Amino acid sequence: EVQLVESGGGLVQPGGSLRLSCSASGLTFSSHAMQWVRQAPGKGLEYVSAISNNGGSTYYADSVKDRITISRDNSKNTVNLQMNSLTTEDTAVYYCAGRDSIWYTGPPFYWGQGTLVTVFS
Amino acid sequence: QSVLTQPPSASGTPGQRVTISCSGGSSNIGSNYVYWYQQLPGAAPKLLIYRNNERPSGVPDRFSGSKSGTSASLVISGLRSGDEANYYCAAWDDSRNSPGVFGGGTKLTVL
Repeated sequence: EVQLVESGGGLVQPGGSLRLSCSASGLTFSSHAMQWVRQAPGKGLEYVSAISNNGGSTYYADSVKDRITISRDNSKNTVNLQMNSLTTEDTAVYYCAGRDSIWYTGPPFYWGQGTLVTVFS
Repeated sequence: QSVLTQPPSASGTPGQRVTISCSGGSSNIGSNYVYWYQQLPGAAPKLLIYRNNERPSGVPDRFSGSKSGTSASLVISGLRSGDEANYYCAAWDDSRNSPGVFGGGTKLTVL
């Protein structure tokens, strides 16, 4: 059974930073592209960032570009999201999601349980 | 404003058949696979349908998906109270430099 477990969420003030991590098991991690999808309170789903299976290609939504960095360590089966200069608009549940492909283009197949990021002033 | 358009709400009584629609364009639904997700209250999204009409193992055959042109549908047969949830469609959009697009979600109420 595939499991994606996020960690690193929490409370942070505007301008602060957080590092989200996602630990994967039950799949050949290096064969799967990974994505981060967020959901603001009471809202729908939004792609934040994505990375191909070998880390060679990445994607950032315009709303987070220049503030967020995605990375992965295939030796540890983890994908990370470094978030800087956070604003109240970044308050959301952040889901780690996995593709059934090496490419990040396309909807995810697997989802983690999510980690809550709250930016408060 | 989501790229994929879903009705904000749908409803049905136990045992009924309910259809949720998802409308897009030639660059997303028209030329790429459609996925459907179920999000129960307080939970993460769960994959229901992939590649238009395939069900992951463990998903009951009460859930089915179809696609025609630039629209897709999710059908839930034999509706149960436990099906009350938000449902999202998704697809890759090859006109955008992004992993894809989501619908705005449909809140299904079981009366």
